[in-house]
Amino acid sequence: AQSVAQPEDQVNVAEGNPLTVKCTYSVSGNPYLFWYVQYPNRGLQFLLKYITGDNLVKGSYGFEAEFNKSQTSFHLKKPSALVSDSALYFCAVRLTGFQKLVFGTGTRLLVSP
Amino acid sequence: DGGITQSPKYLFRKEGQNVTLSCEQNLNHDAMYWYRQDPGQGLRLIYYSQIVNDFQKGDIAEGYSVSREKKESFPLTVTSAQKNPTAFYLCASSTFPATGTGTYEQYFGPGTRLTVT
Repeated sequence: AQSVAQPEDQVNVAEGNPLTVKCTYSVSGNPYLFWYVQYPNRGLQFLLKYITGDNLVKGSYGFEAEFNKSQTSFHLKKPSALVSDSALYFCAVRLTGFQKLVFGTGTRLLVSP
Repeated sequence: DGGITQSPKYLFRKEGQNVTLSCEQNLNHDAMYWYRQDPGQGLRLIYYSQIVNDFQKGDIAEGYSVSREKKESFPLTVTSAQKNPTAFYLCASSTFPATGTGTYEQYFGPGTRLTVT
């Protein structure tokens, strides 16, 4: 079955430090991978995507993600965290055959001042 | 939240009543989706529609119904048959190229929080 896993329910990081939010996937064929962010009581905002090409993908708000085919991972990264980055982050993978996305369970990022 | 609107933001209903959640988009997207979000469970797909007058069940369609009479609108009805309707409901839309190409990122509305007592 095609799926995506976010192994950490919460990630804590101090402001100014680098952050990583982990995501691993399991799909047949080439994956289309996405990261979204959700602030409290809001909808999801698209951050970035990997389709093909360079393994390092740059997105909104200074975030980037690294696609690693051998490890089936698509970790979200940012060199220097901000308190305003505190939110819920979702990784998603597109299923083949349609645009249906499968989402991970989410990782809460808490950036302390 | 782009060009997708959901109303109302908060909705309260008594058990046994049907309730309809509104979703409108002005992005000219062909495909639209409804998700349910519960704490610790991520997003689960309820229904989706690729084109007008066509829709398919998602993973948790029981107790829900939809219609797609216009490209811009995809209302969701939570019926009395839904056993645990209290949740945060998210509507999304995306392009749906006929050629099958495209990256299909979905754009989300602000959500409706439904509480049934």
